Amino acid sequence: EDKVVQSPLSLVVHEGDTVTLNCSYEVTNFRSLLWYKQEKKAPTFLFMLTSSGIEKKSGRLSSILDKKELFSILNITATQTGDSAVYLCAVGANFGNEKLTFGTGTRLTIIP
Amino acid sequence: NAGVTQTPKFQVLKTGQSMTLQCAQDMNHEYMSWYRQDPGMGLRLIHYSVGAGITDQGEVPNGYNVSRSTTEDFPLRLLSAAPSQTSVYFCASSYGYGDEKLFFGSGTQLSVL
Repeated sequence: EDKVVQSPLSLVVHEGDTVTLNCSYEVTNFRSLLWYKQEKKAPTFLFMLTSSGIEKKSGRLSSILDKKELFSILNITATQTGDSAVYLCAVGANFGNEKLTFGTGTRLTIIP
Repeated sequence: NAGVTQTPKFQVLKTGQSMTLQCAQDMNHEYMSWYRQDPGMGLRLIHYSVGAGITDQGEVPNGYNVSRSTTEDFPLRLLSAAPSQTSVYFCASSYGYGDEKLFFGSGTQLSVL
C-alpha cells in the first residue's frame, strides 16, 4: 500500500523565521511529488517535482526531492503571517491521477 | 475565470436522507474527481472521471454515486446518508488524465446526524 508521511504534524514559529517541512513516501512506480497549500478551504498548488525536476523555487518557497532516500522538503524563508496554512504533500504513482496519495499535512502557524 | 465551483458550502442531513453535491468547472478540464477530507487522514479519492460519459471508482466509493453528462459538471450523490459520511468534500479537476496538478473547489462541509 502506498504511503505518504508528513512531519511535523504542526509547527509554530515567529514571523521572519525559516521553516522546513518534511514529506517521506513509499510508493510503487513513483511518478511525481506535489505540494499544496490549504488555507481556509481549497488546497492550492505550489510545486510538482519529478525525476526530471527535483528542485523548484518560487520566491521564498523552495522544494527539493530526494528520490534515493524517498523524501521531499519544503522550505519557507522569512516567513509571514500569510504563510499560516496546512501544507499537503501528495505522491503520484504509475500513470493516472487516481494514483495520487496524500499525506495528512503539516499545520504551520506564524506568530506576528 | 471562476475555476472549480462547489455548492453548497455547508449542509446538515439526517441519517437516511439523500442529497447531491454540485461541482462545475469552466476550464475545459477533462479530468474531474471527488475527495473527502477527514481529521488525521489524507485526502481520499471517492470517484473520478476522465471525460464526459466516463466515471470510475476511487479508494472510498461506497455510498456515493457520480455521473458526468457534460465536461463541465460532475455531481456527487449521497444515496442514503450515514454519520460516517460526515466530512469535508472537495471537487478537483485537471487538464487531463495523467496531469496531476489538480485545481480544487472550496469544499462542502457535510454533517450527518
